[in-house]
Amino acid sequence: DVKVTQSSRYLVKRTGEKVFLECVQDMDHENMFWYRQDPGLGLRLIYFSYDVKMKEKGDIPEGYSVSREKKERFSLILESASTNQTSMYLCASSLKLRRPPEKLFFGSGTQLSVL
Amino acid sequence: ELKVEQNPLFLSMQEGKNYTIYCNYSTTSDRLYWYRQDPGKSLESLFVLLSNGAVKQEGRLMASLDTKARLSTLHITAAVHDLSATYFCAVDTNAGKSTFGDGTTLTVKP
Repeated sequence: DVKVTQSSRYLVKRTGEKVFLECVQDMDHENMFWYRQDPGLGLRLIYFSYDVKMKEKGDIPEGYSVSREKKERFSLILESASTNQTSMYLCASSLKLRRPPEKLFFGSGTQLSVL
Repeated sequence: ELKVEQNPLFLSMQEGKNYTIYCNYSTTSDRLYWYRQDPGKSLESLFVLLSNGAVKQEGRLMASLDTKARLSTLHITAAVHDLSATYFCAVDTNAGKSTFGDGTTLTVKP
């Protein structure tokens, strides 16, 4: 089974801190994604990556950056955390598009609170 | 911009009853996914629908896709308590990223 592991289940940070959220997948998936989930707003795509060192902006990239130095690892970075970034962050991965379209495999999520 | 709308957003049903959740989307796509999320847990894939007229069934859940109407349905047959969860539909764009609906929170009562 595909496993997508997010490093922290709960995280509490202070305003202005630099925050790193880590995600690792073990099935050699090319595609990786970061979503945030907020009540009443569903899931919104922050950034995604189709390959190592590649990144694409999603629908709400402001205030975030990402890093993909290795195929299995996709990091989300909050350069200067703000209270409106308090949210559940979900990492996901999938196989590359040239194969039959694949569903997303999700990690268990990181609940980030910015105080 | 792709918009995905689910309805209803909240659904309370009695055990044993049938109901349908609807997912409308605004632009052409032939890939639609249904996911389930239990409280405090992450999302789990239920169905992948790839073409017009596709129908998938697992247990008491059946999903279908009408690409011409830009509509997918998730039908629940003879609901049981274990089906209580939030259900999301998601539509892929050509860029390969998924846009999610807001989710339907289903509560099945005895």
